[in-house]
Amino acid sequence: GDSVTQMEGPVTLSEEAFLTINCTYTATGYPSLFWYVQYPGEGLQLLLKATKADDKGSNKGFEATYRKETTSFHLEKGSVQVSDSAVYFCALRSYNFNKFYFGSGTKLNVKP
Amino acid sequence: SQTIHQWPATLVQPVGSPLSLECTVEGTSNPNLYWYRQAAGRGLQLLFYSVGIGQISSEVPQNLSASRPQDRQFILSSKKLLLSDSGFYLCAWSETGDSGFQPQHFGDGTRLSIL
Repeated sequence: GDSVTQMEGPVTLSEEAFLTINCTYTATGYPSLFWYVQYPGEGLQLLLKATKADDKGSNKGFEATYRKETTSFHLEKGSVQVSDSAVYFCALRSYNFNKFYFGSGTKLNVKP
Repeated sequence: SQTIHQWPATLVQPVGSPLSLECTVEGTSNPNLYWYRQAAGRGLQLLFYSVGIGQISSEVPQNLSASRPQDRQFILSSKKLLLSDSGFYLCAWSETGDSGFQPQHFGDGTRLSIL
């Protein structure tokens, strides 16, 4: 069945460091891929998305490229800020369109 | 624009008591609706989803149930809460008929503590 695997956290970085959070997926067909961010005590917010191979989603300095050949959708940011501290979830929308599959989440701590 | 509302934001209930959490969506019609549970420091567990009024799919056997009495209303219920029902409950919606390109949108969640 469809699934998403993302790197375990927590990830601790200093401010202005480069961020990569790895995400790989298994899916039937051609899923849409998403990254969500969750701040403490809040719901999930959509960060970016990509709907076909080689698409690059981007938002607020974050980027991720849909790599069909490696079934990956890694999240990157060139220079993280303390305000980026949160939990990040990788997700896919399944072939039957009705279900979404989420990774287990990666907690990011950015220190000043 | 579309909005999603969940309430209450926080709830403390004794073991064995009933539960009703409500979620409504505005600004769209015939959405797919979802209930998730998130244990502390953990990922999301899909509990139920609905593709239309009265149509509920259950993902995990448990003492919870869901209902969709109106197009944009989704209710999570229990007759008798267990300690293991504690967690952060999230409602979400997504578009139907969009060929699968659109994301889910989440409410702010309900923090449920069972004593």
